[in-house]
Amino acid sequence: DQQVKQNSPSLSVQEGRISILNCDYTNSMFDYFLWYKKYPAEGPTFLISISSIKDKNEDGRFTVFLNKSAKHLSLHIVPSQPGDSAVYFCAASLNTNAGKSTFGDGTTLTVKP
Amino acid sequence: DTEVTQTPKHLVMGMTNKKSLKCEQHMGHRAMYWYKQKAKKPPELMFVYSYEKLSINESVPSRFSPECPNSSLLNLHLHALQPEDSALYLCASSQPRTGAGLGTEAFFGQGTRLTVV
Repeated sequence: DQQVKQNSPSLSVQEGRISILNCDYTNSMFDYFLWYKKYPAEGPTFLISISSIKDKNEDGRFTVFLNKSAKHLSLHIVPSQPGDSAVYFCAASLNTNAGKSTFGDGTTLTVKP
Repeated sequence: DTEVTQTPKHLVMGMTNKKSLKCEQHMGHRAMYWYKQKAKKPPELMFVYSYEKLSINESVPSRFSPECPNSSLLNLHLHALQPEDSALYLCASSQPRTGAGLGTEAFFGQGTRLTVV
């Protein structure tokens, strides 16, 4: 049973427009959510996170929205830039000392100049 | 220093070999992780060390043996691997979580690309 799902394997967006990446989860005990960005042949890089006590977190061009009742979060990138082209992973964490995160399958974002 | 350093970057080993992957961080993080990632798949958690003690083993076969010699180092000892174990092995570190809704991000190394022949 996959607890974190990213249903869109890929997304293509024009430079300057908004990119919206979606993520759904099934475990209501998840209380911390993260987005990571991954370039080929590199490890994932942390992008932005949100606690379950919030519904929005913003950092520059990146905003994450959390809808707990729908068990859904989304990452908005505005404006999108060609350098944003990468694989984006959604991850969810339970409240344990180990901080274990469960990852979604990833969405490949391509931003066209 | 916000880096997690993994060595080697690439490793080819035979099914009868013994090898080790190494990971180092100097951020003072007290949680360290091993993940395995296959092509076009998300990272899959293998082991978690919290305060140098193994806290999570995700039912990983015993041919993978983790070791945390101190708070900065994490090793993964490999023995009698199978070709299907070929993958990118990622090390990560973070601060342990401190409470409900209070998570922290993980810092990942660049990984070791392992090929078992």
